[in-house]
Amino acid sequence: AQSVTQLGSHVSVSEGALVLLRCNYSSSVPPYLFWYVQYPNQGLQLLLKYTSAATLVKGINGFEAEFKKSETSFHLTKPSAHMSDAAEYFCAVSGGSNYKLTFGKGTLLTVNP
Amino acid sequence: KAGVTQTPRYLIKTRGQQVTLSCSPISGHRSVSWYQQTPGQGLQFLFEYFSETQRNKGNFPGRFSGRQFSNSRSEMNVSTLELGDSALYLCASSLDGSSNYGYTFGSGTRLTVV
Repeated sequence: AQSVTQLGSHVSVSEGALVLLRCNYSSSVPPYLFWYVQYPNQGLQLLLKYTSAATLVKGINGFEAEFKKSETSFHLTKPSAHMSDAAEYFCAVSGGSNYKLTFGKGTLLTVNP
Repeated sequence: KAGVTQTPRYLIKTRGQQVTLSCSPISGHRSVSWYQQTPGQGLQFLFEYFSETQRNKGNFPGRFSGRQFSNSRSEMNVSTLELGDSALYLCASSLDGSSNYGYTFGSGTRLTVV
C-alpha cells in the first residue's frame, strides 16, 4: 500500500521568499514520486518526478525536490517565490504494477506582494 | 504534439441521470487512467485502461464504469447520478501506464449534479 502526507494544507509566503512544501510518503515498494501543480479550473501540470536516477530533482519554473529515503520525504522547494507560483500543489507516489498515482491532500500556496 | 483532450469541459446533470465523459490521450500513449477530485476526498483513482483492458480499479461503486477503444480513447460512465458525484474528473495519459514514464493530465470535466 502507498500513501502520501502533505504537511500544511495552506502555506503563505512573501514574494521573493523561500518556498518549502512538505511531502512524506509511505510505500512498500521502491517509490516513484511526483509533484504536480494545479491552477484554478485547470488540470494537473507535472513539476518534477523522482524515478531513482538522482536524489535531487530539478523541475520546471525553478522548483526542485530532494528524495530522502531515511526520512521518507520528498519536499518541494523554490529559492524565490513569484506571484505566478500561487496555486495548489500535490505530491503523489506510485510504484509496483498498480498503474496509478496516490495523491496527498494538496497544499495551497499563497504568495503575498 | 497535442495534449490530453477531455470533453466536455463542463456538464450539469440531474440526480438519477447518467453521464458519459470522454478522454483522448496523447498520440502514441496506450494507457488512460481516471481520477475524481472533490474538496472533501481530494484526488482519488477510479480506474486504468491499457490496450482496451482494465488493469486496475479504485474503490468506487459499480455505478462508475469505463472503457477504452482501439484508438486508445477512453470514456467513463456514471449511472444513477448522486449529488456526491459532483466533482472534477481528470484523465491521465501515459505511454504504458508505468511510473517510469509518468502521467500527463487533461484539463478535466467539471460535473455538477443538481
